[in-house]
Amino acid sequence: DTAVSQTPKYLVTQMGNDKSIKCEQNLGHDTMYWYKQDSKKFLKIMFSYNNKELIINETVPNRFSPKSPDKAHLNLHINSLELGDSAVYFCASAQGPWNEQYFGPGTRLTVT
Amino acid sequence: DQQVKQNSPSLSVQEGRISILNCDYTNSMFDYFLWYKKYPAEGPTFLISISSIKDKNEDGRFTVFLNKSAKHLSLHIVPSQPGDSAVYFCAASALQGAQKLVFGQGTRLTINP
Repeated sequence: DTAVSQTPKYLVTQMGNDKSIKCEQNLGHDTMYWYKQDSKKFLKIMFSYNNKELIINETVPNRFSPKSPDKAHLNLHINSLELGDSAVYFCASAQGPWNEQYFGPGTRLTVT
Repeated sequence: DQQVKQNSPSLSVQEGRISILNCDYTNSMFDYFLWYKKYPAEGPTFLISISSIKDKNEDGRFTVFLNKSAKHLSLHIVPSQPGDSAVYFCAASALQGAQKLVFGQGTRLTINP
């Protein structure tokens, strides 16, 4: 039983396209996150939702928009994709904002 | 601005010996620290954590030590096993306010038989 799942696992697309990455957790957690792992391997937080409410919004271009339809889902929509958006994107969830986080397997996005 | 640094990109240890992974931080507001382990093509997995009110936390073969004055923490794995071969990330956060985990860039640990 996968605790935090992401789809798709790989995504190859062209510059200028719009794409979405979906995340679902079946742990009953209240808090969910999106992280980006860049080419230098740093994991950086992008967004966090607690009970469907946005609580963390780092300095991320407006082209990135998270959407939480319910507590179990946090999707990431990216408009007008750019080459620099190529990275691995990880979704994570936690029981609350101060509990350890459980990560999904990642989505490798390649923009050509 | 790298607030959490893991200065060793890789470490090679013989099976059965002790593995010591190091992490330094610069932000004095950090008071909660975690270690994550990551296998290829998987997400990071939580390993162990420590809050700033402690200087040591142990869980089986894993022990994390925190030296607040030096802004340094380390993860000890003993004895090291082949399955411990992975990338280890150190992360830190401030318990006040919304929890943002700040990660180091990881250390690749290889356990040699």
